[in-house]
Amino acid sequence: DQQVKQNSPSLSVQEGRISILNCDYTNSMFDYFLWYKKYPAEGPTFLISISSIKDKNEDGRFTVFLNKSAKHLSLHIVPSQPGDSAVYFCAALRSGTYKYIFGTGTRLKVLA
Amino acid sequence: EAGVTQFPSHSVIEKGQTVTLRCDPISGHDNLYWYRRVMGKEIKFLLHFVKESKQDESGMPNNRFLAERTGGTYSTLKVQPAELEDSGVYFCASSQFRKGTTEAFFGQGTRLTVV
Repeated sequence: DQQVKQNSPSLSVQEGRISILNCDYTNSMFDYFLWYKKYPAEGPTFLISISSIKDKNEDGRFTVFLNKSAKHLSLHIVPSQPGDSAVYFCAALRSGTYKYIFGTGTRLKVLA
Repeated sequence: EAGVTQFPSHSVIEKGQTVTLRCDPISGHDNLYWYRRVMGKEIKFLLHFVKESKQDESGMPNNRFLAERTGGTYSTLKVQPAELEDSGVYFCASSQFRKGTTEAFFGQGTRLTVV
């Protein structure tokens, strides 16, 4: 039973436009959410996170939105750049466990 | 500061053989994790060390997998005997207890192919 779901396996966006990556979770006990970016042959790299006490966190071109009632979060990248092309993983954490639960990833392709 | 390093980067072994993967976490990180990604699927938790102690090994598939972290520094993950379904990319990650931050830092992974 997958507790963190990324239903879109891939997404293509034109350079300069907004990329929106979505993630849903089922366990209401999760209280911390993270996004990781992964290039081929590399490990996942931490991108941005959000605590469940917030509904938005912004870092430069990256913004994560959390909708607790819908158990949904999204990552917005504005403006998208070709270097953003990678696989993006959503992860959830229940505080005190340090056990990250990952989704299956969304492959983002930013077209020049 | 050196990141998380894993060795080897690739390993191809025959079914029934033994393979040992190694992970060197970021210096000073007490938390060390092993994860696995089977092609196209999620990155799945295997286990978590705090220093040399296993805190959570609920994700270990079966007793063919043995993880150790002697002295609370580097860790090894041994698969013995390897089966075809053990193929995948094995990631190691580390983190430190620090208020306000919980992100883990990942190594580049070891791609294991069992033939």
